[in-house]
Amino acid sequence: QKEVEQNSGPLSVPEGAIASLNCTYSDRGSQSFFWYRQYSGKSPELIMFIYSNGDKEDGRFTAQLNKASQYVSLLIRDSQPSDSATYLCAVRSLNFGNEKLTFGTGTRLTIIP
Amino acid sequence: DTGVSQNPRHKITKRGQNVTFRCDPISEHNRLYWYRQTLGQGPEFLTYFQNEAQLEKSRLLSDRFSAERPKGSFSTLEIQRTEQGDSAMYLCASSPRQPGANVLTFGAGSRLTVL
Repeated sequence: QKEVEQNSGPLSVPEGAIASLNCTYSDRGSQSFFWYRQYSGKSPELIMFIYSNGDKEDGRFTAQLNKASQYVSLLIRDSQPSDSATYLCAVRSLNFGNEKLTFGTGTRLTIIP
Repeated sequence: DTGVSQNPRHKITKRGQNVTFRCDPISEHNRLYWYRQTLGQGPEFLTYFQNEAQLEKSRLLSDRFSAERPKGSFSTLEIQRTEQGDSAMYLCASSPRQPGANVLTFGAGSRLTVL
């Protein structure tokens, strides 16, 4: 089982609709959860992070975390063509005092005008 | 501060040659990470420094790979006797030491092509 799993897509969503991206993780001790956006040929850039169960909103983006189900999601409201990118879920784990982010393979999102 | 800087941005080399990448983190960040990313995959963790100490090293990092961070500032990643399978984007990221979430800021990456 992969540590962080995402549906690779591609996920196609009409402009103006809600895009829903999902991620599951295997380490129950994981503490923080991140969503990064990566445009083709570019490096990842942080969208938002969450570490408490529930929802966290930032503009058009909402992150949702359910630690019992080991599940984290990202909702993008009013999707725009500029949201077309690969979305990477990352999970922070703490191992003997050392920490690292483990990334999923990413979900490729295409917003259709 | 202009963010995380990586050099060179692109490197084409022949199999068997050595290559070195440099990363200059954000100045106030004491943690520095190296990741490798191949097409269609997420970034894979390679190694991590806190100040000058290399605290963790992935099993992906064979003996041909070595990373240093002298004086806790910039870092170098050297690959010896390159193989075609080393072709990838090498990403450097840095983060500040703070409790709670550990937010990584990535550099633009160094793309390696091994012929």
